[in-house]
Amino acid sequence: DQQVKQNSPSLSVQEGRISILNCDYTNSMFDYFLWYKKYPAEGPTFLISISSIKDKNEDGRFTVFLNKSAKHLSLHIVPSQPGDSAVYFCAASEASWGKLQFGAGTQVVVTP
Amino acid sequence: DAGVIQSPRHEVTEMGQEVTLRCKPISGHNSLFWYRQTMMRGLELLIYFNNNVPIDDSGMPEDRFSAKMPNASFSTLKIQPSEPRDSAVYFCASSKAGGAYEQYFGPGTRLTVT
Repeated sequence: DQQVKQNSPSLSVQEGRISILNCDYTNSMFDYFLWYKKYPAEGPTFLISISSIKDKNEDGRFTVFLNKSAKHLSLHIVPSQPGDSAVYFCAASEASWGKLQFGAGTQVVVTP
Repeated sequence: DAGVIQSPRHEVTEMGQEVTLRCKPISGHNSLFWYRQTMMRGLELLIYFNNNVPIDDSGMPEDRFSAKMPNASFSTLKIQPSEPRDSAVYFCASSKAGGAYEQYFGPGTRLTVT
């Protein structure tokens, strides 16, 4: 039962443009959401998070938007850089629970 | 900080052999998680510990899998006997105790069972 879904397995974007990654969830008890980035042969690294009391969180080039009514979140990367080429995972948690449910990931390729 | 340390980074073994994966969490982190990543199932949680106590092992696939955390700075994941379908990348992650804190992942152990 996949409670966190990333329906786009891949995304190609030109350097300098915006990358938009999408994530949908089904569990209404989720109240904390995270994005991780993963390079080959490395573990996932934490990128940015948002709690359900907010609808937007920004950190430099990265912004996460949360739409609770639609059970949807997105990650915007502006401007995209070649070093952003990686697999991005969306994850969700019930705060008091501690466990993370991960999506399948989206492979982002930033072209020059 | 050294981050989460995992060993070995690569393990190749024959079917039927025992495999032990090791993890050292970040100092001061009280929660530890073992994940498995495969093409078919993605990143799935196997077990997690809070203050060295196993809290949820519902993701452990079979009795062949076992995990221990004898102290706050060390955990093992053991597979005995190993099977080819256990081939995957196994990640260990740690976080501050309880609640929704970001987890910090180790580099993973790539296990190949022939």
